[in-house]
Amino acid sequence: KQEVTQIPAALSVPEGENLVLNCSFTDSAIYNLQWFRQDPGKGLTSLLLIQSSQREQTSGRLNASLDKSSGRSTLYIAASQPGDSATYLCAVPFLYSGAGSYQLTFGKGTKLSVIP
Amino acid sequence: GAGVSQSPRYKVAKRGQDVALRCDPISGHVSLFWYQQALGQGPEFLTYFQNEAQLDKSGLPSDRFFAERPEGSVSTLKIQRTQQEDSAVYLCASTRVGGFDEQFFGPGTRLTVL
Repeated sequence: KQEVTQIPAALSVPEGENLVLNCSFTDSAIYNLQWFRQDPGKGLTSLLLIQSSQREQTSGRLNASLDKSSGRSTLYIAASQPGDSATYLCAVPFLYSGAGSYQLTFGKGTKLSVIP
Repeated sequence: GAGVSQSPRYKVAKRGQDVALRCDPISGHVSLFWYQQALGQGPEFLTYFQNEAQLDKSGLPSDRFFAERPEGSVSTLKIQRTQQEDSAVYLCASTRVGGFDEQFFGPGTRLTVL
């Protein structure tokens, strides 16, 4: 079964710094990988979805990379701002072929604090 | 609607009570998922619908949990005889077509069982 790990569990950086969040997965046969942001007491906001055939996906100050062979993805945030403070989760779909289902398997997230 | 909506946003139940949580997916979205998120953890899969068909309920933790989507749009997650360990945030997500599509999540329902 697919396992997803995110390191570090928490990260605190000063405003303006560039930072990298890490996500690793055990089964490299993935179809895509999705990065989410979760604010306290809120649901998940999709940030980027990177297909297995892609190496990178960019949206504004965010850049996600994917290396299937090593089972890793990184989320790069440029010029961090206090508004970026949130928990960032990565997830991969797990094909539960016995039921034709596509569960998302999540990491536990990285809690980011950007200090003004 | 513009996004996935869930109601109620907060629910407090006494142990042993039944609760019903509602999810309105994005209009026209075929697939619908329910997840359970404990404090400090990532969401855990509960169940999956494609239209009105429940294709996977392997994540439901016990037979006290039941989900339905009778007309292929709105879904209800019902928990019977709630226990304290059921306290969590329940998240609903939908995708336009298949399960590999980008999943869009609602704000969640925070359930507290006293």
